[in-house]
Amino acid sequence: ETGVTQSPTHLIKTRGQQVTLRCSSQSGHNTVSWYQQALGQGPQFIFQYYREEENGRGNFPPRFSGLQFPNYSSELNVNALELDDSALYLCASSLGRNTGELFFGEGSRLTVL
Amino acid sequence: QQQVKQSPQSLIVQKGGISIINCAYENTAFDYFPWYQQFPGKGPALLIAIRPDVSEKKEGRFTISFNKSAKQFSLHIMDSQPGDSATYFCAASIGGGSNYKLTFGKGTLLTVNP
Repeated sequence: ETGVTQSPTHLIKTRGQQVTLRCSSQSGHNTVSWYQQALGQGPQFIFQYYREEENGRGNFPPRFSGLQFPNYSSELNVNALELDDSALYLCASSLGRNTGELFFGEGSRLTVL
Repeated sequence: QQQVKQSPQSLIVQKGGISIINCAYENTAFDYFPWYQQFPGKGPALLIAIRPDVSEKKEGRFTISFNKSAKQFSLHIMDSQPGDSATYFCAASIGGGSNYKLTFGKGTLLTVNP
């Protein structure tokens, strides 16, 4: 059974640039959630995708957007990067949007200079 | 507004001791309270979870105590081991076991000295 995999593991961008982060969900899982974890903080919910549709969103601006593909993998896109976007971005998959355990990947560490 | 407050920020315990981490919540609609364990360079992993219809849940050396009237819950790690050294997060959600939109505390860095 393959776990949640994320890419890239680390990346550096400059203010104003755009970034795409990728996530492959655990085998059989149809729901993907994205969280932002700033240094020394707990993860914060960005949004969740279920069957290729956004199924709820946290308190993040529209420049944070996402996609889910038919194979349940997902992308997180962030436009017009700001310094405060520097964080660990965690993807989590689950079987069902409201039930079951969340399985987290190891994250993508984004640094914005 | 921080809906889940966690304390302490860091904790040092001797091997064999009891580690206690506390959380308090504000939103009375929360009805699912999981604890996550995160090792450096890894994503969080579910450790144990409780719903408010019980006051305590135990799994091995890990116990959650829940006080609904005080809106508080805590994690107790008995016989703490160096391998337990990690960051622990409490969390809460609405929906009776729902993993949707978990609200996390800020985390507690636990160090267990040998």
